[in-house]
Amino acid sequence: TAGITQAPTSQILAAGRSMTLRCTQDMRHNAMYWYRQDLGLGLRLIHYSNTAGTTGKGEVPDGYSVSRANTDDFPLTLASAVPSQTSVYFCASSDGGPYTEAFFGQGTRLTVV
Amino acid sequence: AQKVTQAQTEISVVEKEDVTLDCVYETRDTTYYLFWYKQPPSGELVFLIRRNSFDEQNEISGRYSWNFQKSTSSFNFTITASQVVDSAVYFCALSENFGNEKLTFGTGTRLTIIP
Repeated sequence: TAGITQAPTSQILAAGRSMTLRCTQDMRHNAMYWYRQDLGLGLRLIHYSNTAGTTGKGEVPDGYSVSRANTDDFPLTLASAVPSQTSVYFCASSDGGPYTEAFFGQGTRLTVV
Repeated sequence: AQKVTQAQTEISVVEKEDVTLDCVYETRDTTYYLFWYKQPPSGELVFLIRRNSFDEQNEISGRYSWNFQKSTSSFNFTITASQVVDSAVYFCALSENFGNEKLTFGTGTRLTIIP
């Protein structure tokens, strides 16, 4: 079982360009999340989705958008990247929302130059 | 608002020593969940334990043990007889009751076990 797959693994992106980070899970979990990890700041929630068709804003949603058209996929889009969005991005899922164990992808290292 | 504080940014201990990682949380809810995750050098996050606010029993799993104390809002993690494979960043996290759909992480503690 693959669990959660993120793509790409890493990317260098020019400022002002758009990009979509992909996240797919094969566990049929209802809830999915996007976090960014920055040194000294831990993991901060960007957006979440409790079930297909619904999304919500996390702690740092500005500059990012998400969609949840089906259970398995939860893409994160940067409409116009800025250098402050340089980070490692983690997608996660859980069966019972934020009260149960979350499974994480391997992360996407994004550098905006 | 919920908050998790891991005051220890980095800890280094010699192999076989015991080490405790501190976690202090803030919440206004009476029902909440606490977690510990491990992030080894490979980068992926691995779930270690979940504890709900009504269960203050300490837990032991092999060399790992967790001390949950509501009176001090702490959920500390102890590794006994540390090994090099324990070197990682450890995150404490908190989620509150229904209606606040997010898992809040602390800033993490980088643990280095010196052989």
